[in-house]
Amino acid sequence: ETGVTQTPRHLVMGMTNKKSLKCEQHLGHNAMYWYKQSAKKPLELMFVYSLEERVENNSVPSRFSPECPNSSHLFLHLHTLQPEDSALYLCASSQEWLQGSYNEQFFGPGTRLTVL
Amino acid sequence: GENVEQHPSTLSVQEGDSAVIKCTYSDSASNYFPWYKQELGKGPQLIIDIRSNVGEKKDQRIAVTLNKTAKHFSLHITETQPEDSAVYFCAASPAGNEKLTFGTGTRLTIIP
Repeated sequence: ETGVTQTPRHLVMGMTNKKSLKCEQHLGHNAMYWYKQSAKKPLELMFVYSLEERVENNSVPSRFSPECPNSSHLFLHLHTLQPEDSALYLCASSQEWLQGSYNEQFFGPGTRLTVL
Repeated sequence: GENVEQHPSTLSVQEGDSAVIKCTYSDSASNYFPWYKQELGKGPQLIIDIRSNVGEKKDQRIAVTLNKTAKHFSLHITETQPEDSAVYFCAASPAGNEKLTFGTGTRLTIIP
């Protein structure tokens, strides 16, 4: 595997379910990101991890819970979601997360989530 | 905070013609402006970026121009090809790659 991979690619869940999204980067990067992509809306940054420490949490509801066990893996745990949470969830990584850095963000293909 | 507007939302161009996508931003402190291309079933991929100390940057068939006074920047694709069909996103940030604010995207279709 190369680049950034995400599993599953598609997920359908009920509002009472608990599920997890997984992201793995094979680039040796130190920073990882979760974005939400909804139709007709800009990409929304949800969380940023730098060296396994959360450095950004953009007012995301607590029903989304990130976890970064090491610099190569990032999870997004989902619990009691709402239909409006249906979207494409993208994971990205970059070399570093530093003030004023211009490190390219490499995106995974995303997980298409549908909440019924 | 930063607000980025992108136009048009959809664009159809005859193969071989040029395509232009425009973005405006609100935060005068923004100094980094990347463009991403997202093909069907894939995540966005950086195709070109520009920083505030440069007015224009070119890479083969794609170019980006920046007007800091007017707070707008544009993506230009010349000699378009079918593989250019995708959704293109602009973004702006006052702090490099950390706090990117994205536009809503432009779906570009190249007509053979």
